[in-house]
Amino acid sequence: GQSLEQPSEVTAVEGAIVQINCTYQTSGFYGLSWYQQHDGGAPTFLSYNALDGLEETGRFSSFLSRSDSYGYLLLQELQMKDSASYFCAVNQAGTALIFGKGTTLSVSS
Amino acid sequence: GAGVSQSPSNKVTEKGKDVELRCDPISGHTALYWYRQSLGQGLEFLIYFQGNSAPDKSGLPSDRFSAERTGGSVSTLTIQRTQQEDSAVYLCASSRGGDLYFGPGTRLTVT
Repeated sequence: GQSLEQPSEVTAVEGAIVQINCTYQTSGFYGLSWYQQHDGGAPTFLSYNALDGLEETGRFSSFLSRSDSYGYLLLQELQMKDSASYFCAVNQAGTALIFGKGTTLSVSS
Repeated sequence: GAGVSQSPSNKVTEKGKDVELRCDPISGHTALYWYRQSLGQGLEFLIYFQGNSAPDKSGLPSDRFSAERTGGSVSTLTIQRTQQEDSAVYLCASSRGGDLYFGPGTRLTVT
């Protein structure tokens, strides 16, 4: 089967940098995705890593190490609107995206 | 363009009744997914349709749950003899093989 581990909660202040880690165990691994979900809303896609290394999209970056079965989402210059749940998810061959339990990020002023 | 739509947005039903939840994916998206999310919890995979292939039903929690996708487009998730533990938000998503686009979900409450 598959399993993903990520912290349940992270707190930070505006302007800070926060890193949300994700470790996974799966077979037929294609890549690691990250989704954001605001309270009461639908999850929305943030980033995808198929290869080792860092992918940067504005204030958000995502990293993958396939050999360590590990990735992280890095959020810089935090804003209040970044308060949300963040899910890592594994893409596998021929099956659905499997999500972790999510990390709730609380940003305070 | 139009996103993924789901209906109803809210459904309250009595224990033991059957319910049908509908999903209209983005036009041209070949993959369609159903997930379930309980309050404050992660996304639990239910079922996955990809083109004309047999669906991956490995996430369905019991035989009370079933889903179909007609004409490679609209999908219906049916829950028979609902139980209180079925209360959750049911999310549908579609994709062309890349990132998933989620609908707003159907909030199901079983009383």
